[in-house]
Amino acid sequence: DGGITQSPKYLFRKEGQNVTLSCEQNLNHDAMYWYRQDPGQGLRLIYYSQIVNDFQKGDIAEGYSVSREKKESFPLTVTSAQKNPTAFYLCASSLTGTTGELFFGEGSRLTVL
Amino acid sequence: QKEVEQNSGPLSVPEGAIASLNCTYSDRVSQSFFWYRQYSGKSPELIMSIYSNGDKEDGRFTAQLNKASQYVSLLIRDSQPSDSATYLCAVNEGALEAGNNRKLIWGLGTSLAVNP
Repeated sequence: DGGITQSPKYLFRKEGQNVTLSCEQNLNHDAMYWYRQDPGQGLRLIYYSQIVNDFQKGDIAEGYSVSREKKESFPLTVTSAQKNPTAFYLCASSLTGTTGELFFGEGSRLTVL
Repeated sequence: QKEVEQNSGPLSVPEGAIASLNCTYSDRVSQSFFWYRQYSGKSPELIMSIYSNGDKEDGRFTAQLNKASQYVSLLIRDSQPSDSATYLCAVNEGALEAGNNRKLIWGLGTSLAVNP
């Protein structure tokens, strides 16, 4: 079955450590996205990528980094520079970068202790 | 600042009733509108997209779009307890002809509770 796989689902890290969240899709979608969701807040865009080897900052990119070396993969690194990293992280993909029809992974819940 | 506004709820309806969820948006040139459902602790799932004025029906769901009033709604007929979730309205900023990637502007969601 086609879909998006995020891992790990739950992650605990100490303050000051970098962590990398994995996102893999087998939908043959060109565009991929990373969102962050906090309680009582809407989805906020961290980074997005329309094609391989290209990505753009979203609204809250500070303290995060991404790469898009393969069409299927769009990993997100939460660096120690991110001041409030505890959140629910959602990876999504879409057929192209111009549509709002997104398919989401199951999410990764990061807790920084 | 482009915005999408939804009543946070909770909206409570009895089983079998019609649930009506509303969304207004500020970007006058937006042409693509989406409803996502998000169960507690889970990721959002696309349930409806609408691009033209009027109604679009899919099973028990009907999306209604009025661009002049900058208003999009979602009706859920014969509501079931399994419909209890948060419903997110999302709007693509800018016009379809732009060609470049257009970001989605998300509402905060309306919480729906369907009571048996």
